[in-house]
Amino acid sequence: GAGVSQSPRYKVAKRGQDVALRCDPISGHVSLFWYQQALGQGPEFLTYFQNEAQLDKSGLPSDRFFAERPEGSVSTLKIQRTQQEDSAVYLCASSLQGTGGLLWANQPQHFGDGTRLSIL
Amino acid sequence: AQSVAQPEDQVNVAEGNPLTVKCTYSVSGNPYLFWYVQYPNRGLQFLLKYITGDNLVKGSYGFEAEFNKSQTSFHLKKPSALVSDSALYFCAYTGVNRDDKIIFGKGTRLHILP
Repeated sequence: GAGVSQSPRYKVAKRGQDVALRCDPISGHVSLFWYQQALGQGPEFLTYFQNEAQLDKSGLPSDRFFAERPEGSVSTLKIQRTQQEDSAVYLCASSLQGTGGLLWANQPQHFGDGTRLSIL
Repeated sequence: AQSVAQPEDQVNVAEGNPLTVKCTYSVSGNPYLFWYVQYPNRGLQFLLKYITGDNLVKGSYGFEAEFNKSQTSFHLKKPSALVSDSALYFCAYTGVNRDDKIIFGKGTRLHILP
């Protein structure tokens, strides 16, 4: 398909386990974003890539969270030693290029359907 | 702090009636404002945006929004609601700087009653 693809759609893990969430952006999209959406809340920014470079990781809640995009396309969000408060929907979005300001505004982000992570 | 606020957690509207979902913003400078919709178990879908120009912005699925600078509002509207419009709606903004991130409101759940 032509949209952003995320896998798995649902993930259940025991507290303390490591998890890896995958995002396949739209082909040709330079920018890739990860968001965390807690129940009943709006998405909150985690991190941003421009091609393979992670330009902003200020939203990652702790050093247990790690994201990579080694070849500038597929991205993986890894959470180590999961805690119950990590339970949320993790959304990936991509856009042609740019972040913030007029560049972003002219090229809205395209979101995947998310991965619902439940930590028991 | 710069933010957007959606004062209503839920809005109920009868099918065929006009609908309004409220959003107010608190930002410095000129904001870029957006509306997104989220259906159950799905990601967000872009509806419309305001960058500059006409205060009335038309978007997807018959939705429109009015930018009101004096009231710092960007309410989402539709003249005649459909049951299929039932979903979660998010107002969002980003600033003019390259490093500005998109900030989402907490969302408003819209129920269209048949």
